[in-house]
Amino acid sequence: DAKTTQPTSMDCAEGRAANLPCNHSTISGNEYVYWYRQIHSQGPQYIIHGLKNNETNEMASLIITEDRKSSTLILPHATLRDTAVYYCIVRVARGAQKLVFGQGTRLTINP
Amino acid sequence: DADVTQTPRNRITKTGKRIMLECSQTKGHDRMYWYRQDPGLGLRLIYYSFDVKDINKGEISDGYSVSRQAQAKFSLSLESAIPNQTALYFCATRDNSEAFFGQGTRLTVV
Repeated sequence: DAKTTQPTSMDCAEGRAANLPCNHSTISGNEYVYWYRQIHSQGPQYIIHGLKNNETNEMASLIITEDRKSSTLILPHATLRDTAVYYCIVRVARGAQKLVFGQGTRLTINP
Repeated sequence: DADVTQTPRNRITKTGKRIMLECSQTKGHDRMYWYRQDPGLGLRLIYYSFDVKDINKGEISDGYSVSRQAQAKFSLSLESAIPNQTALYFCATRDNSEAFFGQGTRLTVV
């Protein structure tokens, strides 16, 4: 799996958009970008994933740069419940492959 | 019912005791994983399995063993627990799109 680099922590005001960056400069052509979050000692929760096109779902948007070396997870209107650790992972979708998490970004939403 | 169920949710055990953490999933996935998480740190992979006959060591397998009894069940054992195995343990399963995690087992070794 390609390595990822994320800031250790970020703050965002409630109601504003939270933009979480991730660098994955060694990503391979068949590797997807996945985002998960973990809210205070609960099991991590899947958010979104993408290959090269931007993706949006009910939770977030994922913007992947054209060269695929970095991406940004966007929470459009952050709430206090979005305070969590956010993990960016790159891996192939199919096949036998371990799922490895880095340190993630601790996002704090402030009232 | 939860997609991934871990038992027990909390456990306190003594040094040197054998303990088993159990995980079952209802997703019908072949791939299952065990992780541990220490306070303030990310998840570290202990063991993973891609089907009933496949077991692989992760980053920190020393002191642990696993058993894949069926597609739906993946157990983690500590043969002789030690205090630095005190941690939060997560089981997960995944398909090609996303991974599903249990609620965790908080293990304390005294």
